[in-house]
Amino acid sequence: NAGVTQTPKFQVLKTGQSMTLQCAQDMNHNSMYWYRQDPGMGLRLIYYSASEGTTDKGEVPNGYNVSRLNKREFSLRLESAAPSQTSVYFCASTGATHAEAFFGQGTRLTVV
Amino acid sequence: GESVGLHLPTLSVQEGDNSIINCAYSNSASDYFIWYKQESGKGPQFIIDIRSNMDKRQGQRVTVLLNKTVKHLSLQIAATQPGDSAVYFCAENGVDSSYKLIFGSGTRLLVRP
Repeated sequence: NAGVTQTPKFQVLKTGQSMTLQCAQDMNHNSMYWYRQDPGMGLRLIYYSASEGTTDKGEVPNGYNVSRLNKREFSLRLESAAPSQTSVYFCASTGATHAEAFFGQGTRLTVV
Repeated sequence: GESVGLHLPTLSVQEGDNSIINCAYSNSASDYFIWYKQESGKGPQFIIDIRSNMDKRQGQRVTVLLNKTVKHLSLQIAATQPGDSAVYFCAENGVDSSYKLIFGSGTRLLVRP
C-alpha cells in the first residue's frame, strides 16, 4: 500500500518553463489537495478537489492549474514558472472525515 | 534536511516533561480541528483531530483541547520524548461545508535530553 505518491521528487526549471507535478493515491479517497511550503513557513493550499470531477481554488491559486484526472490522480501544472514558485509542493488526500490527510513525500521545485 | 521550522516559534522542553502547543484559529464554521506533526524532510503526519461539538479528546500520550469561545486549540503531549521533536501545525476543515483543509501557523518543538 503506497499511500500518496508524488513525482518528481526534485525539479529545477528555468523561468518561463512549464511542468506538471503528478500525484496519485491508492486509498480510494474522494478529496485531494495541493499545497506549497516555503522555507520556515506553513502549508498554503493551492487547489483542492473535493471529489472526482470537481476542483476549487485554495489560498494561493495564481500561476497554477490542476486536473483531477480520475479518482486516483490529481496533477498540478505550472504554465510559466517564476522564481516566486520555488517551494516544496505537497499533495495530500483525505477520506470520509476530511480530517486525517495523508501526504506525499513532497516535490522540491527550484525556479531559476 | 528541509528547513521547515526555521522561522517558526520554538518551544523547548526537557525530555519527560509535558508539552503544550497552542494555536489560534479564525473560522468558527470549521467542522474539524486537527493537529499534524512534520519532521524534517517529510510531509505532515496526522496526530489527532477534534470535532467542533467537542471540547476535549485524548489519544495516546496526546490530548487536544478546543475552546470555541476564544477560538483556541491546544495540543498537550505527555512525557515528551526526543522523537517528538518536530514542527507541529494546527489545521481546520469543513469550513462553510467545504472540504478545504487549511493549515495554521506552526510551532517547532525541541526536546532536550
